[in-house]
Amino acid sequence: KAGVTQTPRYLIKTRGQQVTLSCSPISGHRSVSWYQQTPGQGLQFLFEYFSETQRNKGNFPGRFSGRQFSNSRSEMNVSTLELGDSALYLCASSLGGSGTYNEQFFGPGTRLTVL
Amino acid sequence: GESVGLHLPTLSVQEGDNSIINCAYSNSASDYFIWYKQESGKGPQFIIDIRSNMDKRQGQRVTVLLNKTVKHLSLQIAATQPGDSAVYFCAERGFQKLVFGTGTRLLVSP
Repeated sequence: KAGVTQTPRYLIKTRGQQVTLSCSPISGHRSVSWYQQTPGQGLQFLFEYFSETQRNKGNFPGRFSGRQFSNSRSEMNVSTLELGDSALYLCASSLGGSGTYNEQFFGPGTRLTVL
Repeated sequence: GESVGLHLPTLSVQEGDNSIINCAYSNSASDYFIWYKQESGKGPQFIIDIRSNMDKRQGQRVTVLLNKTVKHLSLQIAATQPGDSAVYFCAERGFQKLVFGTGTRLLVSP
């Protein structure tokens, strides 16, 4: 079974631009979560999507948004990029049913550099 | 996709030694805890988990201990190998989302 894939793996943008990152979950997984990883703040939860609906959200500004498609693939968008948005963006998928915790499987991440 | 590198505590051990990585969590209401391993260029990988109604859980060469009184979690790796070199994160589940610790870099020398 293929793992979680993220595209692109590396991205360089300039301040003020916007960016869209893509995540394809493991087949059969319906939940996709996004995380930002930086040296200063570590791994921080951005949001989670399940069945095309945002189910949970972290403490990030509205410039960060996401969506999920009917095939469970997910995209996240960052508008008006700032230097501080430079980070590794990780996507994790899980079966996603409510109740007991479902193990999350992480992709390799997209390294975003904002100049 | 390298793991976080600049602000991590580091644990250096010799191959064959036992390693203990510690983590303090913040939310006394957290009911589930996980240890992840992140190697350079990869996303975090699940190692072992423990529910809040347990004190100890063992896996293959790894043991997780949970002390709810002091909100402390530890990961013990037996007979540490060079392939164990990575960044290790603990995570707690609170309010239906994972909150990660800052991570510890484990360096294993032959």
